[in-house]
Amino acid sequence: EAGVTQSPTHLIKTRGQQATLRCSPISGHTSVYWYQQALGLGLQFLLWYDEGEERNRGNFPPRFSGRQFPNYSSELNVNALELEDSALYLCASTRGAKNIQYFGAGTRLSVL
Amino acid sequence: AQSVTQPDIHITVSEGASLELRCNYSYGATPYLFWYVQSPGQGLQLLLKYFSGDTLVQGIKGFEAEFKRSQSSFNLRKPSVHWSDAAVYFCAVGAGGSQGNLIFGKGTKLSVKP
Repeated sequence: EAGVTQSPTHLIKTRGQQATLRCSPISGHTSVYWYQQALGLGLQFLLWYDEGEERNRGNFPPRFSGRQFPNYSSELNVNALELEDSALYLCASTRGAKNIQYFGAGTRLSVL
Repeated sequence: AQSVTQPDIHITVSEGASLELRCNYSYGATPYLFWYVQSPGQGLQLLLKYFSGDTLVQGIKGFEAEFKRSQSSFNLRKPSVHWSDAAVYFCAVGAGGSQGNLIFGKGTKLSVKP
């Protein structure tokens, strides 16, 4: 069974551009979480999608947005990129009441 | 507010020695607790989890953790460390119990001396 897959592995953008990151959850999982892992800041919660709806978001500006598709895959969009958006973006999926989150390998976003 | 503290930023142990990584949490109700490991350039791998019941939980790769409510701790242990255990270890608590995002500690980097 395939794990959580994220694409692309690396993404290089310049300041002001938009970035789109993608996540495919484990088959059967309906919830997707996005986290940002920036140097020195640890892992911070970004967004939570479940059954196609945004359930919660962390303390990030509105230029961080996303969606979940009918097949439960998800997309994270970051508009008007800033240098401090450079980070590893991790996606996790889960299903059921115990909220055991399984992570993908991440997308490394570099903003130049 | 919920929070997780990992007091040790970096720990170095000799191969074959025992290991204990500390984790303290702040949570109002019965916490859902997790330990994850991150190897360089990789995502997070789940080592073990605690929801309820037996306070000593076993995980993968020979790791175990003990939940102590009185001390608000969930320390990770391994009796004999292998060089391949070198990585960053994260403790996490479920923000909403059985639902919602995880709140992570800052992580502890483990180095293993030959």
